[in-house]
This record gives sequence, structure tokens and C-alpha cells, in this order.
Amino acid sequence: SQKIEQNSEALNIQEGKTATLTCNYTNYSPAYLQWYRQDPGRGPVFLLLIRENEKEKRKERLKVTFDTTLKQSLFHITASQPADSATYLCALGRTGNQFYFGTGTSLTVIP
Amino acid sequence: DVKVTQSSRYLVKRTGEKVFLECVQDMDHENMFWYRQDPGLGLRLIYFSYDVKMKEKGDIPEGYSVSREKKERFSLILESASTNQTSMYLCASRMGQVAGELFFGEGSRLTVL
Repeated sequence: SQKIEQNSEALNIQEGKTATLTCNYTNYSPAYLQWYRQDPGRGPVFLLLIRENEKEKRKERLKVTFDTTLKQSLFHITASQPADSATYLCALGRTGNQFYFGTGTSLTVIP
Repeated sequence: DVKVTQSSRYLVKRTGEKVFLECVQDMDHENMFWYRQDPGLGLRLIYFSYDVKMKEKGDIPEGYSVSREKKERFSLILESASTNQTSMYLCASRMGQVAGELFFGEGSRLTVL
């Protein structure tokens, strides 16, 4: 069965640095990958989509890469701020309605 | 502003009780989903629906059923709640296109005693 791993459950970084979160997957060939942000006690909120034929996507301070050979996506937040502190989830999908979510990485940006 | 509304943020039920979790979306989305979220396990799909009265099992449908009588409403039913169904339940919806983003509700935290 498919397996999705996100790097260490918790990541602490200093304000102003770049946070890099990892999403690795096995036994699956996604057509696209999405990243979501989840604050405590709230539902996830969509951030970015990247498709299998795209190498990189950017949105403001966010950047996502997708390497289908390595079976890995990297999610970067540049110039991080305390307000970026949250849990970040990756989700993989193909055709149809099945999404597979990672367990998430909890990011804390220290002032 | 688009919205997915879940009827209850917090519920406490007893073992064996029947539980209804309601979800309403105002975006005219074809697809609706129920997930549960547990520490260390992430989000797992229970059921989804791609049209009124249509439903498909997800990865963990056992112990659950769903109902979609109207396009905007998707209900999750626990016929006889058990303690291992204590969890955060998240409803989501999305449009019909492939790779469309999921819009989530705020979640319903269910505790079964």
C-alpha cells in the first residue's frame, strides 16, 4: 500500500530563515501533489498544487518542488514569520477522488 | 466567502449510541468527503460522495455510513458508537475537476465514553 512520510513531526526555526518541509512517498505514482496548512483545532486550508509534469511552483513566500524520480516534494517558506507556525500537510492524488495525506509536520517559527 | 459548515464542534457520546455528524457546503460542489484525523495517523478517508445519493467507501468505512440526499449536505452516521471512534472528524468538499483543492470544515471532535 502507499506510504507518505513527512519529515520529523516537529521543526523549529528562527524567524527570517527558510523553512524546508519534506514529503516522501512510496508505492504510489501521483499525478499531482497539494500542500495544506492546519492550525490547532481547525480544518486544513489549501496552499499550493503542483502537477507531475511541473518541477516547481511559487506563491508569494512559498515554493514547492516535485521530483517524481526521487518520489519527493519539498515545501519552502522563505523569510519565515511566527505567524507561519502551524502544521503542514502534503496530499497526493491521481484521477478520481482518492487523496492520500501525510501525517504532517508541525512548524514553529521562533521570534 | 466559501464555506463548509459542520454541525457540531464538540460532541460527547456513550458507547452504543447513534451519532449523526452533519456537513453543509455553499459552493455547489459535486464532491464531498468525510475524513477522520488521529495523531500519528494523519487524515484517513472514511467515505466520499460524487453526486446526490451516490457514495463510495474510502480507506476506513467500517462502523460508519453516510447519506447525501441533497447536493449541499453530507451526513456521517455512526450506528453504534465505540470508544475507538473517538477522533476529530473533518468534512470537505471540492469541485469535480481533477486536482481540485479540498475545502474543509472546522472539524467535529467526538469523544465516545
